[in-house]
Amino acid sequence: NAGVTQTPKFQVLKTGQSMTLQCAQDMNHNSMYWYRQDPGMGLRLIYYSASEGTTDKGEVPNGYNVSRLNKREFSLRLESAAPSQTSVYFCASGVRDGSYGYTFGSGTRLTVV
Amino acid sequence: GDSVTQMEGPVTLSEEAFLTINCTYTATGYPSLFWYVQYPGEGLQLLLKATKADDKGSNKGFEATYRKETTSFHLEKGSVQVSDSAVYFCALKGFQAGTALIFGKGTTLSVSS
Repeated sequence: NAGVTQTPKFQVLKTGQSMTLQCAQDMNHNSMYWYRQDPGMGLRLIYYSASEGTTDKGEVPNGYNVSRLNKREFSLRLESAAPSQTSVYFCASGVRDGSYGYTFGSGTRLTVV
Repeated sequence: GDSVTQMEGPVTLSEEAFLTINCTYTATGYPSLFWYVQYPGEGLQLLLKATKADDKGSNKGFEATYRKETTSFHLEKGSVQVSDSAVYFCALKGFQAGTALIFGKGTTLSVSS
């Protein structure tokens, strides 16, 4: 049982480049989430999808877009990467609306130079 | 809006010492409360949870009690081990449908033998 799988694990981008972070879960969860983790800031919500076909902005959505491709997959896209987007990105999924907690992926460490 | 405040770290303890990490919250209604743990280089793992007032969550020797009167959910362990060294996050899920987990900034615990 893989849980939540994120790819890639590491990535270095140049300023202005674009990329998509992939996330897939195999637990039949309804809700999926993207967070970023920065030193001293905890985890901040970028976007989430409460159910297949819906997406909503979180606390820090600027510079990002998301796609809920199907119930399993939820991707995060950086259209024009900036150094301020250097961070560790975590995808998570939850049963129903996540009231019983989330399962997290192992993260993508992104560096923008 | 809803928020979580947890004690600043780092917390440095000797093996077998008693651990308390304070967490307080601000929320309307009756949120669900969580503690997550993050080991170096890994994603977050759910440690314990409580979904209503006076509930006690427990796991791996850790405990936390949902105190509505003091809006607190402090994490405790009677005797820490070196293997407990990690970052601990307190989190809240608001009662409203369609909202996501809100995390505290994390507390780093370092246990020495």
